[in-house]
Amino acid sequence: SQTIHQWPATLVQPVGSPLSLECTVEGTSNPNLYWYRQAAGRGLQLLFYSVGIGQISSEVPQNLSASRPQDRQFILSSKKLLLSDSGFYLCAWSATGVENSPLHFGNGTRLTVT
Amino acid sequence: GQNIDQPTEMTATEGAIVQINCTYQTSGFNGLFWYQQHAGEAPTFLSYNVLDGLEEKGRFSSFLSRSKGYSYLLLKELQMKDSASYLCAVMDSNYQLIWGAGTKLIIKP
Repeated sequence: SQTIHQWPATLVQPVGSPLSLECTVEGTSNPNLYWYRQAAGRGLQLLFYSVGIGQISSEVPQNLSASRPQDRQFILSSKKLLLSDSGFYLCAWSATGVENSPLHFGNGTRLTVT
Repeated sequence: GQNIDQPTEMTATEGAIVQINCTYQTSGFNGLFWYQQHAGEAPTFLSYNVLDGLEEKGRFSSFLSRSKGYSYLLLKELQMKDSASYLCAVMDSNYQLIWGAGTKLIIKP
């Protein structure tokens, strides 16, 4: 069966510090991968998605970036965090070639920028 | 623009039935998803509708009317563990998911 791992679960970082969140998927090949952010009381905001190694699409211009160095690894990064980067970050995967494939989410990372 | 509307919060009694509505206006339609999200946790997939009608999965059912841009999630025999937020998401013509803000369901004994 497929599993998705995301870490860390919680993170407190000062403004201006760097960020690296990692996500890995097991049990499937060439998944579509996603990074979402969820602010309190608001819907999920798609940040990045990837259909393959090195292929990243950005949905929202910001100081975050994403990379996919391996087929089942997706990394969210920032060089300098802003207060507004605080939120609940979710990694997700869906099956390639199945257009109605549901998203399967990792457990999320709660980021607080102080 | 694209828009998904859901009630912000609903309250229901343990053992009862509750219906959570979702209306949408999107650029095309390639299906509608319902997710459950417990507080502090990730969303989990509940149901998918692409054709009009009712899909039943145990205590949960989901209905779709494409002509009305409308869906609902029906929860029967409510249990305390059903207290969660329920997210409606529509896949548009580009196969991108448009998310509602979610409905927080509070179950009272």
